[in-house]
Amino acid sequence: AQKVTQAQTEISVVEKEDVTLDCVYETRDTTYYLFWYKQPPSGELVFLIRRNSFDEQNEISGRYSWNFQKSTSSFNFTITASQVVDSAVYFCALSESGSARQLTFGSGTQLTVLP
Amino acid sequence: AAGVIQSPRHLIKEKRETATLKCYPIPRHDTVYWYQQGPGQDPQFLISFYEKMQSDKGSIPDRFSAQQFSDYHSELNMSSLELGDSALYFCASSLVGGRVAGELFFGEGSRLTVL
Repeated sequence: AQKVTQAQTEISVVEKEDVTLDCVYETRDTTYYLFWYKQPPSGELVFLIRRNSFDEQNEISGRYSWNFQKSTSSFNFTITASQVVDSAVYFCALSESGSARQLTFGSGTQLTVLP
Repeated sequence: AAGVIQSPRHLIKEKRETATLKCYPIPRHDTVYWYQQGPGQDPQFLISFYEKMQSDKGSIPDRFSAQQFSDYHSELNMSSLELGDSALYFCASSLVGGRVAGELFFGEGSRLTVL
């Protein structure tokens, strides 16, 4: 069975600080996909990134970066120079291979960026 | 670009009543997913449809049913509503084509409140 663990329930940082959100996953599949979603107070789920299990290259998109390490089954998310608008719940999720597989979400990390 | 459309956005019902949520996937997407997110919880997979056939089933109560129609829109029917059914219900769509699940695009959610 697949499982996603986000050990950090809540994180508070001051604006312009860097912050890393941790994600550890469990799966028996060799082919799988990892995702990060942002859920702002308005409630919608905003897609941030998808990474497949064969691509361990780190990715950077603006102030966002992701560190995928299969050896430790981790897919951590770093926000550089955080801003108040980054305040949201961030979910890490896993999808195993096969047809029309659903996502398994972690419990989410509430990030609060203080001005 | 067209996104996943959910209606209604907000719905208030009383215990034992029935509710129907609708989802219009992104054009040409062949798979629809339903998720339930209780207060302070992560989204939980309920059910999915691929090419109008049920493809996966998660923690969907027997009181709930869903289907996907010929135009690919989907409806989630909830009967004998209970207080615990109060949640944000997300619909997501993706283009799977019977292969590995791709990126899931979520709608803005339908917030159901049961009084």
